[in-house]
Amino acid sequence: QVQLVQSGGEVKKPGASVKVSCKTSGYTFTSYGITWVRQAPGQGLEWMGWINAYNGNTQHAQKFQGRVTMTTDTITRTADMELRSLRSDDTAVYYCAITSDAFDFWGQGTLVTVSS
Amino acid sequence: EIVLTQSPATLSLSPGQRASLSCRASQNVGAYLAWYQQKPGQAPRLLIYDASNRATGIPARFSGSGSGTDFTLTISRLEAEDFAVYYCQQRSNWPPKLTFGGGTKVEIK
Repeated sequence: QVQLVQSGGEVKKPGASVKVSCKTSGYTFTSYGITWVRQAPGQGLEWMGWINAYNGNTQHAQKFQGRVTMTTDTITRTADMELRSLRSDDTAVYYCAITSDAFDFWGQGTLVTVSS
Repeated sequence: EIVLTQSPATLSLSPGQRASLSCRASQNVGAYLAWYQQKPGQAPRLLIYDASNRATGIPARFSGSGSGTDFTLTISRLEAEDFAVYYCQQRSNWPPKLTFGGGTKVEIK
């Protein structure tokens, strides 16, 4: 079965960087892109970006341009999302997901807390 | 950027009642709209894709309709497990540049 398993929670100081990993299994990795979504405490879902797992092309939401890097590794079947220059309002649960028509699977989420 | 506006923000209903949730897009998204359900502490779950297609395992009481800029998610008869937050998501761009609506919370009256 399709599984997306994310790395564990992180606590970071303002200005630091965080990398969230998403290890996948159960499907052809290069056939689907990986979407990253975050959710601040008590807030809605926010689309961050998408990476094509076949060729590494990316799309980012405008607000994250220059601060986020998304990568994939076809050998380990892993997608990573690095967010830099963290601020307190980056505190959120970060999700990786495949969202392609009915082929829709999500990781369990990774809580990133930014606090001095 | 396409903006999705969901209404109402909160819907207070009793089990057995019908729920109608609205999602309006700032520009034409064709039929490329999905609906998700999210419960506390859980990842979102896909209910509807391409405006009106139920995802695998989704009960028939959930239905989606609409195209262009106006969409509706209907839950014909609310059951206890349906009280949750619902989000619409547009998928009209390629490469994907997706957006979510702000959500509608369906709560027990």
